[in-house]
Amino acid sequence: AQSVTQLDSHVSVSEGTPVLLRCNYSSSYSPSLFWYVQHPNKGLQLLLKYTSAATLVKGINGFEAEFKKSETSFHLTKPSAHMSDAAEYFCVNQPGRRALTFGSGTRLQVQP
Amino acid sequence: DGGITQSPKYLFRKEGQNVTLSCEQNLNHDAMYWYRQDPGQGLRLIYYSQIVNDFQKGDIAEGYSVSREKKESFPLTVTSAQKNPTAFYLCASSSQGQPQHFGDGTRLSIL
Repeated sequence: AQSVTQLDSHVSVSEGTPVLLRCNYSSSYSPSLFWYVQHPNKGLQLLLKYTSAATLVKGINGFEAEFKKSETSFHLTKPSAHMSDAAEYFCVNQPGRRALTFGSGTRLQVQP
Repeated sequence: DGGITQSPKYLFRKEGQNVTLSCEQNLNHDAMYWYRQDPGQGLRLIYYSQIVNDFQKGDIAEGYSVSREKKESFPLTVTSAQKNPTAFYLCASSSQGQPQHFGDGTRLSIL
Protein backbone atom coordinates (compact mmCIF):
# COMPACT_ATOMS: atom_id res chain seq x y z
CA ALA A 1 0.00 0.00 0.00
CA GLN A 2 1.09 3.52 -0.73
CA SER A 3 0.73 6.33 1.79
CA VAL A 4 2.17 9.70 2.62
CA THR A 5 2.14 11.09 6.15
CA GLN A 6 2.80 14.71 6.91
CA LEU A 7 3.52 14.72 10.59
CA ASP A 8 2.43 18.29 11.33
CA SER A 9 -0.83 19.84 10.23
CA HIS A 10 0.38 23.31 11.28
CA VAL A 11 3.85 24.79 11.66
CA SER A 12 4.50 28.31 12.87
CA VAL A 13 7.90 30.00 12.58
CA SER A 14 9.24 33.51 12.89
CA GLU A 15 10.47 35.33 9.83
CA GLY A 16 14.16 34.65 9.30
CA THR A 17 14.20 31.35 11.22
CA PRO A 18 14.54 27.88 9.67
CA VAL A 19 11.60 25.90 8.33
CA LEU A 20 11.17 22.13 8.68
CA LEU A 21 8.13 20.37 7.24
CA ARG A 22 8.15 16.63 7.82
CA CYS A 23 7.00 13.92 5.46
CA ASN A 24 7.17 10.12 5.71
CA TYR A 25 6.12 7.74 2.99
CA SER A 26 5.41 4.07 2.56
CA SER A 27 5.54 2.52 -0.86
CA SER A 28 5.67 -0.91 -2.41
CA TYR A 29 7.39 0.61 -5.42
CA SER A 30 10.33 2.94 -5.80
CA PRO A 31 9.01 6.30 -4.63
CA SER A 32 8.83 9.34 -6.82
CA LEU A 33 8.45 12.17 -4.36
CA PHE A 34 7.43 15.79 -4.76
CA TRP A 35 6.69 18.81 -2.64
CA TYR A 36 4.00 21.22 -3.83
CA VAL A 37 2.96 24.56 -2.34
CA GLN A 38 -0.56 26.00 -2.43
CA HIS A 39 -1.39 29.61 -1.71
CA PRO A 40 -4.99 30.44 -0.74
CA ASN A 41 -7.53 29.81 -3.50
CA LYS A 42 -4.79 28.80 -5.91
CA GLY A 43 -3.63 25.63 -7.55
CA LEU A 44 -0.57 23.66 -6.53
CA GLN A 45 2.88 24.79 -7.60
CA LEU A 46 5.77 22.33 -7.80
CA LEU A 47 8.57 23.18 -5.34
CA LEU A 48 10.88 20.27 -6.03
CA LYS A 49 11.01 16.62 -7.02
CA TYR A 50 13.15 13.65 -6.06
CA THR A 51 14.56 11.92 -9.11
CA SER A 52 16.96 9.41 -7.48
CA ALA A 53 19.94 11.21 -9.01
CA ALA A 54 20.74 12.84 -5.67
CA THR A 55 19.35 12.48 -2.18
CA LEU A 56 19.46 16.23 -1.51
CA VAL A 57 17.12 18.03 -3.84
CA LYS A 58 17.09 21.77 -4.33
CA GLY A 59 13.90 23.49 -5.34
CA ILE A 60 12.54 26.94 -5.97
CA ASN A 61 12.44 29.81 -3.47
CA GLY A 62 15.33 28.43 -1.41
CA PHE A 63 13.60 25.21 -0.40
CA GLU A 64 15.32 21.84 -0.37
CA ALA A 65 14.47 18.32 0.70
CA GLU A 66 16.52 15.30 1.65
CA PHE A 67 15.49 11.79 0.69
CA LYS A 68 16.38 9.26 3.43
CA LYS A 69 15.51 5.75 2.38
CA SER A 70 16.41 4.23 5.75
CA GLU A 71 13.95 6.54 7.47
CA THR A 72 11.42 6.60 4.60
CA SER A 73 11.41 10.37 4.92
CA PHE A 74 11.48 13.34 2.58
CA HIS A 75 11.48 16.40 4.84
CA LEU A 76 11.30 19.90 3.37
CA THR A 77 13.58 22.62 4.75
CA LYS A 78 14.46 26.25 4.20
CA PRO A 79 17.22 28.07 6.12
CA SER A 80 15.33 31.33 6.56
CA ALA A 81 11.58 31.80 6.35
CA HIS A 82 10.03 34.70 4.49
CA MET A 83 6.55 36.09 4.96
CA SER A 84 5.69 35.03 1.41
CA ASP A 85 6.36 31.38 2.37
CA ALA A 86 3.12 31.26 4.35
CA ALA A 87 1.01 28.67 2.52
CA GLU A 88 -0.07 25.04 2.55
CA TYR A 89 2.55 22.47 1.61
CA PHE A 90 1.85 19.00 0.26
CA CYS A 91 4.16 16.03 0.13
CA VAL A 92 3.24 13.76 -2.77
CA ASN A 93 4.33 10.29 -3.87
CA GLN A 94 3.90 8.83 -7.34
CA PRO A 95 5.27 5.31 -6.93
CA GLY A 96 6.02 3.43 -10.11
CA ARG A 97 4.30 6.13 -12.20
CA ARG A 98 0.98 5.26 -10.62
CA ALA A 99 -1.58 7.78 -9.40
CA LEU A 100 -0.41 10.48 -7.06
CA THR A 101 -0.80 9.92 -3.33
CA PHE A 102 -1.11 13.18 -1.40
CA GLY A 103 -0.30 13.90 2.20
CA SER A 104 -2.95 15.82 4.11
CA GLY A 105 -0.92 19.01 3.99
CA THR A 106 0.98 21.25 6.41
CA ARG A 107 -0.06 24.84 6.87
CA LEU A 108 2.97 27.06 7.40
CA GLN A 109 2.50 30.31 9.26
CA VAL A 110 5.29 32.88 9.30
CA GLN A 111 5.20 35.40 12.13
CA PRO A 112 6.79 38.84 11.65
CA ASP B 1 2.55 31.38 -21.67
CA GLY B 2 1.61 27.71 -21.44
CA GLY B 3 -0.61 26.61 -18.65
CA ILE B 4 -3.89 25.27 -17.41
CA THR B 5 -7.02 27.42 -17.30
CA GLN B 6 -9.94 26.52 -15.09
CA SER B 7 -13.24 28.34 -15.25
CA PRO B 8 -15.22 29.65 -13.61
CA LYS B 9 -13.27 30.53 -10.48
CA TYR B 10 -16.44 30.39 -8.35
CA LEU B 11 -19.58 28.38 -9.14
CA PHE B 12 -22.86 27.96 -7.35
CA ARG B 13 -25.17 25.00 -7.78
CA LYS B 14 -28.84 24.69 -6.99
CA GLU B 15 -30.29 21.49 -5.64
CA GLY B 16 -30.88 18.91 -8.39
CA GLN B 17 -28.77 20.80 -10.91
CA ASN B 18 -25.86 19.55 -12.94
CA VAL B 19 -22.92 21.92 -13.37
CA THR B 20 -19.85 21.68 -15.58
CA LEU B 21 -16.38 22.85 -14.69
CA SER B 22 -14.04 23.73 -17.52
CA CYS B 23 -10.37 22.78 -17.78
CA GLU B 24 -8.21 23.73 -20.77
CA GLN B 25 -4.47 23.23 -21.21
CA ASN B 26 -2.06 24.40 -23.89
CA LEU B 27 0.91 22.41 -22.65
CA ASN B 28 0.39 19.61 -25.16
CA HIS B 29 0.11 17.14 -22.28
CA ASP B 30 -1.48 13.77 -22.94
CA ALA B 31 -2.73 13.15 -19.41
CA MET B 32 -5.27 15.21 -17.51
CA TYR B 33 -6.73 14.83 -14.02
CA TRP B 34 -9.50 16.11 -11.79
CA TYR B 35 -9.09 16.35 -8.04
CA ARG B 36 -11.34 17.38 -5.21
CA GLN B 37 -9.95 19.20 -2.19
CA ASP B 38 -11.80 19.50 1.10
CA PRO B 39 -10.61 21.62 4.06
CA GLY B 40 -7.78 20.01 6.00
CA GLN B 41 -7.42 17.18 3.52
CA GLY B 42 -5.14 16.37 0.67
CA LEU B 43 -6.37 16.05 -2.86
CA ARG B 44 -8.50 13.10 -3.92
CA LEU B 45 -8.60 11.88 -7.49
CA ILE B 46 -11.99 11.99 -9.22
CA TYR B 47 -11.19 11.04 -12.82
CA TYR B 48 -8.16 10.96 -15.08
CA SER B 49 -7.50 10.61 -18.76
CA GLN B 50 -4.26 9.36 -20.28
CA ILE B 51 -5.30 9.94 -23.88
CA VAL B 52 -8.07 11.48 -25.96
CA ASN B 53 -11.38 9.59 -25.90
CA ASP B 54 -10.34 7.55 -22.90
CA PHE B 55 -10.71 8.17 -19.17
CA GLN B 56 -10.66 6.22 -15.93
CA LYS B 57 -12.39 6.53 -12.59
CA GLY B 58 -10.34 7.69 -9.66
CA ASP B 59 -11.00 7.14 -5.98
CA ILE B 60 -14.19 9.22 -5.69
CA ALA B 61 -15.86 9.16 -9.14
CA GLU B 62 -19.45 8.64 -7.94
CA GLY B 63 -21.66 11.61 -8.83
CA TYR B 64 -19.21 12.97 -11.40
CA SER B 65 -18.74 12.54 -15.15
CA VAL B 66 -16.07 13.64 -17.63
CA SER B 67 -15.33 13.68 -21.33
CA ARG B 68 -12.09 13.93 -23.29
CA GLU B 69 -13.01 14.77 -26.87
CA LYS B 70 -9.99 17.01 -27.40
CA LYS B 71 -6.46 16.79 -26.08
CA GLU B 72 -6.65 20.30 -24.65
CA SER B 73 -9.94 19.95 -22.80
CA PHE B 74 -11.19 17.80 -19.91
CA PRO B 75 -14.49 19.15 -18.55
CA LEU B 76 -15.94 17.78 -15.31
CA THR B 77 -19.68 17.59 -14.69
CA VAL B 78 -20.90 17.50 -11.11
CA THR B 79 -24.24 15.77 -11.28
CA SER B 80 -27.20 15.97 -8.94
CA ALA B 81 -26.19 12.52 -7.72
CA GLN B 82 -23.22 14.08 -5.94
CA LYS B 83 -24.81 14.87 -2.59
CA ASN B 84 -21.92 16.79 -1.10
CA PRO B 85 -20.42 18.77 -3.96
CA THR B 86 -19.14 21.76 -2.00
CA ALA B 87 -15.37 21.70 -2.44
CA PHE B 88 -12.41 23.15 -4.29
CA TYR B 89 -11.84 21.38 -7.61
CA LEU B 90 -8.42 21.24 -9.20
CA CYS B 91 -7.51 20.18 -12.71
CA ALA B 92 -4.00 19.01 -13.60
CA SER B 93 -2.11 17.76 -16.61
CA SER B 94 1.18 16.03 -17.23
CA SER B 95 3.37 14.46 -19.85
CA GLN B 96 4.66 10.98 -19.21
CA GLY B 97 6.94 10.67 -16.22
CA GLN B 98 6.78 14.37 -15.39
CA PRO B 99 5.19 16.14 -12.43
CA GLN B 100 1.64 17.33 -12.78
CA HIS B 101 0.87 20.98 -13.49
CA PHE B 102 -2.21 22.41 -11.78
CA GLY B 103 -4.79 25.02 -12.64
CA ASP B 104 -5.95 27.64 -10.14
CA GLY B 105 -9.09 25.73 -9.23
CA THR B 106 -12.85 26.22 -9.14
CA ARG B 107 -14.68 26.65 -5.86
CA LEU B 108 -18.13 25.08 -6.00
CA SER B 109 -20.80 25.94 -3.46
CA ILE B 110 -24.41 24.99 -2.94
CA LEU B 111 -27.14 27.64 -3.00
